[in-house]
Parts: sequence; structure tokens; C-alpha cells
Amino acid sequence: GEDVEQSLFLSVREGDSSVINCTYTDSSSTYLYWYKQEPGAGLQLLTYIFSNMDMKQDQRLTVLLNKKDKHLSLRIADTQTGDSAIYFCAPNSGGYQKVTFGTGTKLQVIP
Amino acid sequence: NAGVTQTPKFRVLKTGQSMTLLCAQDMNHEYMYWYRQDPGMGLRLIHYSVGEGTTAKGEVPDGYNVSRLKKQNFLLGLESAAPSQTSVYFCASTTLATGVKYGYTFGSGTRLTVV
Repeated sequence: GEDVEQSLFLSVREGDSSVINCTYTDSSSTYLYWYKQEPGAGLQLLTYIFSNMDMKQDQRLTVLLNKKDKHLSLRIADTQTGDSAIYFCAPNSGGYQKVTFGTGTKLQVIP
Repeated sequence: NAGVTQTPKFRVLKTGQSMTLLCAQDMNHEYMYWYRQDPGMGLRLIHYSVGEGTTAKGEVPDGYNVSRLKKQNFLLGLESAAPSQTSVYFCASTTLATGVKYGYTFGSGTRLTVV
């Protein structure tokens, strides 16, 4: 099956940029999601990118995809304390709308 | 506009007891999923369903059973709970109708402790 790896923890200062990285193994993934989980809550979709794209920008969020290296990143500009959460990378991994979730990266924003 | 509702939100079980977690969605989604979340391991798929009356095994199905008798409900059962099943359980749903744009809709989770 698909393996999706992320670093477990990232700490940044408020106002700085955050970059969360993800590597995956299934080269046939056609779309890749980023989800956000706030404390005590379920996951919410942040953004997604198709595998035929290199970059997608959505307000403060920039997603970069290096398909050759199977590397995905999420950049959050001007990080705020409200961005403190766990971020999950989730490439699709087969039929029936199946995605595989990464281990999650806990982002801590220091005021 | 309730989305995905999970009940109960919290539960403590003794080893060997059984229980059923209920997931209900009101969005007419075809696909429903049960995940467990453990620290440092992300979300792992337990079982999923592609439609009413159908279920399939995910990555970690042992010790769990599921049923989808109605399109809007997906039940997860633990027949004989073990401490290793202590986790946070999430239900999710999605539909092909909107394509990839909206991803999965998640419930708020059930925190289960087995003592």
C-alpha cells in the first residue's frame, strides 16, 4: 500500500512562513489533499492539487508538487496563532475515492 | 446542515465488552469510511463502504465489524474490546458527484478508552 511520511512537529513564530513537507510512494496518485485538524475536532479540507500541476496558490496557502520525487509541500504565509493545528497530507491511493493519510505534522505557532 | 454525526463522543469500555459506534450523514454521500487515529500514526482506514449494503476491509480491520443497511448510516462494531483498540475513531463520507473538490467530510470523532 501507499506510504505517506511527514515530520511530526514544526514550530514557527507568528508572522513567519511555515512549510510542511510530505513524501509519498504511489506515483499513480492523481490528486493530493491537505487537511487541517484543530484540537478535539475532525479533519477539514484545506486544499488539493492535481498531479498534473506543479503549484497551486490559495490566499495564504501555496502547495508545491514535485511528482518526480513524490514530494508535496504546504506553505502557509504570515502564519497566525489560529493556524496551530495538525496538518495531514493525503494522496489518493486507488479506486473508490480512497486516500491514504500521512502521519500528520503538528504546527505550533509562537506569539 | 448537520453533515456527519458520530455517536457517542466518548466511551470507556472494559476489556471484553462490546459496543457499536454510529455514523450518520445527511448529504446523500455514497462512500463512507471508518478511521482510527493514534499518536504518531496518522489516520488508518478500518473499513469502508461504497454504497448501501456493501462494505470492504481497510488497512486495520481486525477486531472490528461494520454494516451499512441504510445509505445514511455506517456502523462500526467492536465485539470484544481490547486495550489496543483505545483510540479516537473518525467517520468520513464523500461523493463522486462533486469530484475531488470537497474531499471527505469528517465527523467530530469518538474517543474510546478500553481498560
